[in-house]
Amino acid sequence: EDQVTQSPEALRLQEGESSSLNCSYTVSGLRGLFWYRQDPGKGPEFLFTLYSAGEEKEKERLKATLTKKESFLHITAPKPEDSATYLCAVQFSGGSYIPTFGRGTSLIVHP
Amino acid sequence: GAGVSQSPSNKVTEKGKDVELRCDPISGHTALYWYRQSLGQGLEFLIYFQGNSAPDKSGLPSDRFSAERTGGSVSTLTIQRTQQEDSAVYLCASSPPDRGAFFGQGTRLTVV
Repeated sequence: EDQVTQSPEALRLQEGESSSLNCSYTVSGLRGLFWYRQDPGKGPEFLFTLYSAGEEKEKERLKATLTKKESFLHITAPKPEDSATYLCAVQFSGGSYIPTFGRGTSLIVHP
Repeated sequence: GAGVSQSPSNKVTEKGKDVELRCDPISGHTALYWYRQSLGQGLEFLIYFQGNSAPDKSGLPSDRFSAERTGGSVSTLTIQRTQQEDSAVYLCASSPPDRGAFFGQGTRLTVV
């Protein structure tokens, strides 16, 4: 069964302390991988799409990378406003366009 | 509008009543998804519409749940005879095919 696993479940950082979030997947084939940010009480906000191993995307302090079995969301010198839940979703090949979501990583950045 | 719009933003209903949740997707997006998010849980897929194709209903948890999409645009999710376990945030998203989906702010449903 195709699955998406995110780790860690929760992460506390000091402002400026860089780190990485992981999204691993077991698939028969990958069509696309998506990263989202979700603030409390709001819908997920789209961040990045990655399609093939070796691909990288950047936005401000965030950089997403992709290998054949996992993706990382690197957060460089985070600020308190980066505190949110980060969700990963995978679109598997084989006919369905329906993204499967991981359970997310809750990030808190302390000033 | 510029984004996905959902209404109402909050809905409190009595157990056993029917509810309708509305989603206005981004203009031109052919794909539309409904997901459900319970407190502390991940996003649970409910139903997927793509263009004029038959919808993928494989995520609907029971026959009390149904959805339609009129004219390839607005979608309505209907829950009949609501139960307390239906309480959750219902999220709608739209996208072009093979692209990341854009989500609305959700409808928080509380069944009392």
